[in-house]
Amino acid sequence: EDQVTQSPEALRLQEGESSSLNCSYTVSGLRGLFWYRQDPGKGPEFLFTLYSAGEEKEKERLKATLTKKESFLHITAPKPEDSATYLCAVYNAGGTSYGKLTFGQGTILTVHP
Amino acid sequence: EAQVTQNPRYLITVTGKKLTVTCSQNMNHEYMSWYRQDPGLGLRQIYYSMNVEVTDKGDVPEGYKVSRKEKRNFPLILESPSPNQTSLYFCASSLSGTNEQFFGPGTRLTVL
Repeated sequence: EDQVTQSPEALRLQEGESSSLNCSYTVSGLRGLFWYRQDPGKGPEFLFTLYSAGEEKEKERLKATLTKKESFLHITAPKPEDSATYLCAVYNAGGTSYGKLTFGQGTILTVHP
Repeated sequence: EAQVTQNPRYLITVTGKKLTVTCSQNMNHEYMSWYRQDPGLGLRQIYYSMNVEVTDKGDVPEGYKVSRKEKRNFPLILESPSPNQTSLYFCASSLSGTNEQFFGPGTRLTVL
């Protein structure tokens, strides 16, 4: 069974205090790992897709990395507007779970000014 | 404007009364999916569809039905809703499962 576990569940940072969010996964046939941002009451918004171990992608203050077992979302010098829930998801292209998308439970990030 | 639309946005109903939540996308996407979101549990996939007439169960399909007769539409059907189906529901679409998903605005369902 595919599993995605995100940690920590919640993270409070001061503005400018860099940190990382973790997403560990177990999937039989990984074909993509996704990061999304979700604001309260809204649908998730796409941030990154990573396809293979060693891959890195950056966007403004965010950088996502991928290994064979986990992904990290690094946040450099965060601002209050980065406060949101960050979701990780994996796409399975193997066996009986082909085509399934499995999300983690999310990390709630709060950045204080 | 490229978008995924869901209707209704809010629905309060009673146990056992059949309902349908519609989902439509205008991006010619092949992959569509339904999720429910509950506090502390993240997004859980209910059903997904990789193309017209092709649907598969996600992690929590019990109590739900779907159909994909047209590429743009992917309705979610609750034949006999129960209170444990009270949740926030999202529809999403993408070119394929390996591409970014575009999410609808959500439907907040309450079953009394």
